[in-house]
Amino acid sequence: DQQVKQNSPSLSVQEGRISILNCDYTNSMFDYFLWYKKYPAEGPTFLISISSIKDKNEDGRFTVFLNKSAKHLSLHIVPSQPGDSAVYFCAASDGTSYGKLTFGQGTILTVHP
Amino acid sequence: KAGVTQTPRYLIKTRGQQVTLSCSPISGHRSVSWYQQTPGQGLQFLFEYFSETQRNKGNFPGRFSGRQFSNSRSEMNVSTLELGDSALYLCASSLGQGIVETQYFGPGTRLLVL
Repeated sequence: DQQVKQNSPSLSVQEGRISILNCDYTNSMFDYFLWYKKYPAEGPTFLISISSIKDKNEDGRFTVFLNKSAKHLSLHIVPSQPGDSAVYFCAASDGTSYGKLTFGQGTILTVHP
Repeated sequence: KAGVTQTPRYLIKTRGQQVTLSCSPISGHRSVSWYQQTPGQGLQFLFEYFSETQRNKGNFPGRFSGRQFSNSRSEMNVSTLELGDSALYLCASSLGQGIVETQYFGPGTRLLVL
C-alpha cells in the first residue's frame, strides 16, 4: 500500500524553464510534507517543507504547493538549472509516529543546458 | 556544523553473516532514524531512537535491530544476512524535540550480500 506516490518516474526540462514535480498521498493523517533531492552515491538532501496548515511555502527558487482536498503537493523550481538534475523525493509525516517519514518512489529530473 | 556521518560507506558480506553499521548525528541532534533503500521498495523506515530508547519501529523482521548511545551515536545490526538485505542503508538525524521534524540524512552505507 503506497501511501505517497510520485507518478512520474522522470521529467526533462530545459535550463531556465520551470520544473514541476508532483506528489499524491492517500493518508489523510499526513500533516507535514518534505521534499528531498538525491544525487547518486549521496544521501537525500532536504530542500523544503510545508505544514498542512499552509498551502504554499517558498525558499528561493523552490516553492511547494499543498492542496489538502486533492491530497496533492507539487514542487516548483524556477528557473531550473543543470545542477538541479537529481532524483527528487517527496515525503510525509503523520504527526503521530516518531521519526518516520513515508517516501514516494522518486522522480528523476534532468535539466538540459 | 558537520553533517550526519555513516561508516562504513561500502560493505560486502555473505549470506548468514551479520553486519553492524554506524551513524553519528549532527551535533545537538538527539533523534536518529534508519531507512533502507532498495530499487523495488524505495526508502523504507526501519526504526527511530531518541535518548537511547527505540521510540518507533517499521515493518522489518527481528533480524534488524539497533541501539543508540549516550552521545546520540547509533548503530544498526542485521543478523543472518539474506540476499534481499542488499541495499543502501541511510540514517537521518533531527533535534528530537517533536514528533514532526525535518530529518537530515547521511551519505548511506551500501551493503552487498553475496
